[in-house]
Amino acid sequence: QKEVEQDPGPLSVPEGAIVSLNCTYSNSAFQYFMWYRQYSRKGPELLMYTYSSGNKEDGRFTAQVDKSSKYISLFIRDSQPSDSATYLCAPGYGGATNKLIFGTGTLLAVQP
Amino acid sequence: EAQVTQNPRYLITVTGKKLTVTCSQNMNHEYMSWYRQDPGLGLRQIYYSMNVEVTDKGDVPEGYKVSRKEKRNFPLILESPSPNQTSLYFCASSPGTSGNPPLGDTQYFGPGTRLTVL
Repeated sequence: QKEVEQDPGPLSVPEGAIVSLNCTYSNSAFQYFMWYRQYSRKGPELLMYTYSSGNKEDGRFTAQVDKSSKYISLFIRDSQPSDSATYLCAPGYGGATNKLIFGTGTLLAVQP
Repeated sequence: EAQVTQNPRYLITVTGKKLTVTCSQNMNHEYMSWYRQDPGLGLRQIYYSMNVEVTDKGDVPEGYKVSRKEKRNFPLILESPSPNQTSLYFCASSPGTSGNPPLGDTQYFGPGTRLTVL
C-alpha cells in the first residue's frame, strides 16, 4: 500500500465550480499536510499547509485534514481557468529528515 | 530573486554517456534534494542533503550520485545513464533546521530538467 494515495484525474469543471481534491494516507506519524500546485512545465510550488485536523482557509482555498480517517482535502471555491494545474498533496513527518511524501497529483482543468 | 536553478533544462543523451545536472539555490537553505517525476508514480526522492558534505539516499537512488561541497550547489550525476532514467528531474531546497516546521520543511523547486536517454 502506498503511503499517500491520490486520484490522478483528470478532473474537468466549469469556471465558478467548487472543486474538491482528495488524498488518503496510511501513516499516522505524519505531522503536517501540504498542498503543492504544479503548472504545466513548471516545478511544484507550495499552495498551503495545515498542521492538524480541521480546516484552514486561504482566500478561495480551504485545506481540510481528518486524522481519524487519514483523509486530506483541498477545496477550491469559485474556480478559475488559472487554477488549471496538477495538485499534489504532501504529508510530512517533520523532524530531522525534512521529508515530504508526495501524492501522484490530480490534474485539474477549469473550463472557461 | 530567491530561486532554485537547474541546468540544463532539456537533455537528450545516449546510454552510458556520463552526465551531470547542476542545481543551485540562492536562499542559503540547508536542505537540498533531487526528485524524479514519472507519470503515475508522482515525485520520488532520489537523494537528499541536510547540509554541506552530508548526503543520504532517498527512495530511488540506484544509478545516481550526488555531492554537496558547497551549501548552494547540489549536482546530480548519472555515471552510466540508461533508458529507464528517462524522466523529469527536479531539484528542491528548504530551510531545514533553521526554519520551524512545517515551513522549515517547505520545499522550493527548480524548473525541472527533462532527460531522455536513448
